[in-house]
Amino acid sequence: EAGVTQFPSHSVIEKGQTVTLRCDPISGHDNLYWYRRVMGKEIKFLLHFVKESKQDESGMPNNRFLAERTGGTYSTLKVQPAELEDSGVYFCASSNRISNSPLHFGNGTRLTVT
Amino acid sequence: AQKVTQAQTEISVVEKEDVTLDCVYETRDTTYYLFWYKQPPSGELVFLIRRNSFDEQNEISGRYSWNFQKSTSSFNFTITASQVVDSAVYFCALSSYTGGGNKLTFGTGTQLKVEL
Repeated sequence: EAGVTQFPSHSVIEKGQTVTLRCDPISGHDNLYWYRRVMGKEIKFLLHFVKESKQDESGMPNNRFLAERTGGTYSTLKVQPAELEDSGVYFCASSNRISNSPLHFGNGTRLTVT
Repeated sequence: AQKVTQAQTEISVVEKEDVTLDCVYETRDTTYYLFWYKQPPSGELVFLIRRNSFDEQNEISGRYSWNFQKSTSSFNFTITASQVVDSAVYFCALSSYTGGGNKLTFGTGTQLKVEL
């Protein structure tokens, strides 16, 4: 079974630019989560999809962040315009809703905003 | 509000030593899950264990063992006879039962370095 895949693995952009991160969950997993770790701090919840619906987006920092999951498969997280404080590692995770499995995380995307 | 504290920022041990990673949590929920994840240098977060709050039995898996004590709100992780491959950042996390139990509150992580 393929794991959670995230693309790109690294992204370096300038302040004010736009970046789109992509996550492909494990096939068949309805639950998809985005988390973020800012340098040296804890990993924080951003939002949760069940299929294509946003179940909980209480962790999204502000309206510069837009997450989508059209068709309930892969998800994208767009940051526009990026600010310096957006730098960090963005993790995606998925789980099987029916079996209530624990989260399987991807390798993360390291975003650096200069 | 939930909170997870991993007071040890970094631990260095020599191979074959035993090492315990501490985790203390706070929650108002009566039912909850506790987790440990490992982040090796390659970057992914690897699931190690999930424990529900009803089950206080200690668990052992090979060289890994976990000690859950509700009375002290702790969920400590011990690696016996550590190996260089154990070098990683280890995260403790907590979630409530609601919503499927996967909205995790993480600690700041403990960097474990195992040297020859």
